[in-house]
Amino acid sequence: NAGVTQTPKFQVLKTGQSMTLQCAQDMNHNSMYWYRQDPGMGLRLIYYSASEGTTDKGEVPNGYNVSRLNKREFSLRLESAAPSQTSVYFCASSPVVTGNQPQHFGDGTRLSIL
Amino acid sequence: RKEVEQDPGPFNVPEGATVAFNCTYSNSASQSFFWYRQDCRKEPKLLMSVYSSGNEDGRFTAQLNRASQYISLLIRDSKLSDSATYLCVVSPAGTASKLTFGTGTRLQVTL
Repeated sequence: NAGVTQTPKFQVLKTGQSMTLQCAQDMNHNSMYWYRQDPGMGLRLIYYSASEGTTDKGEVPNGYNVSRLNKREFSLRLESAAPSQTSVYFCASSPVVTGNQPQHFGDGTRLSIL
Repeated sequence: RKEVEQDPGPFNVPEGATVAFNCTYSNSASQSFFWYRQDCRKEPKLLMSVYSSGNEDGRFTAQLNRASQYISLLIRDSKLSDSATYLCVVSPAGTASKLTFGTGTRLQVTL
C-alpha cells in the first residue's frame, strides 16, 4: 500500500526560484496537511485542506500557496523561494480533520534553498 | 510556555531496560493525544493513541493525567529497534482541530 506519496524527495533551489511539492494519498482520506520540520522545532502546520475544495492557513503559511487538486492530491507551492524555507516538508492525511483522528505521513521532501 | 513540551534527551538505556518519557501540554481543553515515533530522517509514524484510562500495546504503555496536563509513554524490555525520537502530539478541541507536535524525545538503546 502506497499510503501518502510525496515528490520529489530532494530538491535544491536558488533563492527566488519557484517550485511545487506534490502529495497524493490513496487511503480515501478527506483531509490533507502540509507541515515543515526544522531542527529543534516540532512539526509546524503550513496549510491544510479539511475536504476537497477547501484550504485553510496553518501556523506558518507565509511564502506558500496550496491547491487541493482533487480528493487524492494536495500540492504546496513556493512562489519565490527564500533560504528560510530550507526545511523538510511532510504531507499528511487523515480521514477527517477532527482532532481525534491520527494523521498518516508521507516520507518527506528535503528542500534546500541556496 | 510551549504548547507541548518534551525533554529532548537523549535517553541512553541498555537493551532490556524500562524507560519512561513525559510530555506536558498547556491547553487544558486538549481532547486527543498521541505518541508518534520518528526514525532519523524519516516520517513520523503513529505509535499509539492515548486514552483517558490509559492503554497498552505490547511493551508500550501510555497514560494521560488531565489534572496535571501530561501524558507519558513507558517502554518495557527495550529493544535496539526502539531507538528513535518519540513525538508527543496533542490536539485541541474544535471543529477544525489540528495537531500540535512536541519537539520529541530521543531514545538510544544500546547493547
